[in-house]
Amino acid sequence: AQSVAQPEDQVNVAEGNPLTVKCTYSVSGNPYLFWYVQYPNRGLQFLLKYITGDNLVKGSYGFEAEFNKSQTSFHLKKPSALVSDSALYFCAVRDIRADSWGKLQFGAGTQVVVTP
Amino acid sequence: ETGVTQTPRHLVMGMTNKKSLKCEQHLGHNAMYWYKQSAKKPLELMFVYNFKEQTENNSVPSRFSPECPNSSHLFLHLHTLQPEDSALYLCASSQGWAESSGNTIYFGEGSWLTVV
Repeated sequence: AQSVAQPEDQVNVAEGNPLTVKCTYSVSGNPYLFWYVQYPNRGLQFLLKYITGDNLVKGSYGFEAEFNKSQTSFHLKKPSALVSDSALYFCAVRDIRADSWGKLQFGAGTQVVVTP
Repeated sequence: ETGVTQTPRHLVMGMTNKKSLKCEQHLGHNAMYWYKQSAKKPLELMFVYNFKEQTENNSVPSRFSPECPNSSHLFLHLHTLQPEDSALYLCASSQGWAESSGNTIYFGEGSWLTVV
């Protein structure tokens, strides 16, 4: 079984401050981990993913995420938030076992509000 | 432009109507998906198609009927829906054959469905 948790429904941050959106996961084997962003009335946009290799993954719009196997976490970070980063962020996990083909498990989402 | 195009973007239908949602991907992918996004609920995977073959039906009621005539097109036929089926329906695609490679799923902008 696989699951993903985003413990915060909403994160508030002032523009220019660091932004962190938390994600923890649970899988039986090794995970593939993804972050997506959804702007109002839009679909989900891919930000970044961890497959293997370097634990620090860099993605679109200045975002990065760090894979921490011991803590089963994949937190999304941005050093300096912009008002335009205000959106709904989803973490997702896929177990690499073949019988989970296509089953990308999404978290409930975290609303990020960046104030000027 | 996401490479995955959904039409219509908005649809209002009565409970006795029959309508269809259309999705087309221009990314050369082999796998296509339907997801449902409701308020206050995580994304729900509905159907998965790999090379036009349905590989996943996530216990979706029969009033939702998918069709995948080729790897680039996916339809969701709607019949005698209920008000609780009102949601954002997201189509997605991926280069899904090599499951173990952590292929990214790319989403369309979604079709907002309101059942009255």
